[in-house]
Amino acid sequence: KNEVEQSPQNLTAQEGEFITINCSYSVGISALHWLQQHPGGGIVSLFMLSSGKKKHGRLIATINIQEKHSSLHITASHPRDSAVYICAVRPSNSNSGYALNFGKGTSLLVTP
Amino acid sequence: EAQVTQNPRYLITVTGKKLTVTCSQNMNHEYMSWYRQDPGLGLRQIYYSMNVEVTDKGDVPEGYKVSRKEKRNFPLILESPSPNQTSLYFCASMLSGTGNTEAFFGQGTRLTVV
Repeated sequence: KNEVEQSPQNLTAQEGEFITINCSYSVGISALHWLQQHPGGGIVSLFMLSSGKKKHGRLIATINIQEKHSSLHITASHPRDSAVYICAVRPSNSNSGYALNFGKGTSLLVTP
Repeated sequence: EAQVTQNPRYLITVTGKKLTVTCSQNMNHEYMSWYRQDPGLGLRQIYYSMNVEVTDKGDVPEGYKVSRKEKRNFPLILESPSPNQTSLYFCASMLSGTGNTEAFFGQGTRLTVV
């Protein structure tokens, strides 16, 4: 089952560009997570959303529950933003604890 | 500092030799889980635990065991590792198994079974 689709799969941007990563899902959800994974590193939680929009520094995450879609935006991108960004959803009908369904990730490279 | 700690970070072992990957969290979280990450497949849940002594299978439990004797620890046990268990493993914890709470992940354990 892959109920979570991310686009694009790979993205290269120049430093300073505005970046958007998209996540679409097919099931009803109670929450959506955006995660960041640096090469060789662990996974860090960026946002957890159940509605609306959240902002943290240069990162903005939005979700449209009716359209089953979320976006992660990076303003004024920097080479240190280079990482894999993963979207994960918690289905609202999950009966297996806090099960998360993950997208396959978007690999972002920001060049100087 | 709130964190999830996994050990070891890297492990190369031979087929059939039992191993344990440890996971510990210092946030008093009830919910802990193990995932494996493989190229093209993304993250998949192996086992999860809603609380002490409460564990259950995720999507890919075959070949793995877990235990939750204390709230802070959730080790992953491979009784007889095989090459198809070569993967990157992540432990995660959340405050609760219900409701919407932030997920905390460990740094990952890269396992190679030869």
